[in-house]
Amino acid sequence: EVQLLESGGGLVQPGGSLRLSCAASGFTFNIYDMTWVRQAPGKGLEWVSSIRANGVETFYADSVKGRFTVSRDNSKNILYLQMNALRAEDTAIYYCANGLRAIGDWGQGTLVTVSS
Amino acid sequence: DVVMTQSPLSLPVTLGQPASISCRSSQSLVYSDGNTYLNWFQQRPGQSPRRLIYMVSNRDSGVPDRFSGGGSGTDFTLKISRVEAEDVGVYYCMQGTHWPLTFGGGTKVEIK
Repeated sequence: EVQLLESGGGLVQPGGSLRLSCAASGFTFNIYDMTWVRQAPGKGLEWVSSIRANGVETFYADSVKGRFTVSRDNSKNILYLQMNALRAEDTAIYYCANGLRAIGDWGQGTLVTVSS
Repeated sequence: DVVMTQSPLSLPVTLGQPASISCRSSQSLVYSDGNTYLNWFQQRPGQSPRRLIYMVSNRDSGVPDRFSGGGSGTDFTLKISRVEAEDVGVYYCMQGTHWPLTFGGGTKVEIK
């Protein structure tokens, strides 16, 4: 059974940083592209970032480019999202998912709240 | 960016009756490899999204066969042949052909 377990969310002040993690199991992590999607409270889904299976190629939404960095550790089956210079508008549930052009399985999400 | 426009925003349906959701893209979703990366997701209240359909019409494992996807180019549809109570939630289309990846605004399915 595929499992994606996000962690690292919490309350942070504007301008602060957080690192999200997504522990993957139940599938061959190192051959899957991976994706982060977020959902602001009461709103729809927004793609944030993706990374190729080998970790070499990364992609970002304009809204987070230069502030967020996606990475992965294929030896540990973990996906990361380093979030810097956080803004109020980054407040959302952050989901990790496997796949890229056809995002497949999703985690349960981790809530990030940016507020003073 | 490719804009994904879903309609209707809200869809009240009688149990056992069919339902249809439209998703239109501002550009063709045919990728250079010949595939069309249009996917459908269901998000039940309080849950994570779940993929129902990938590449226009391929139903995911475990998805009831009352769900079907179709369309081509820029015009796509998700159909539910007979709505059941467990189908309540918000449905999103998503295109994976062009960067950035984009989602439709969602269609809320509720029971009349």
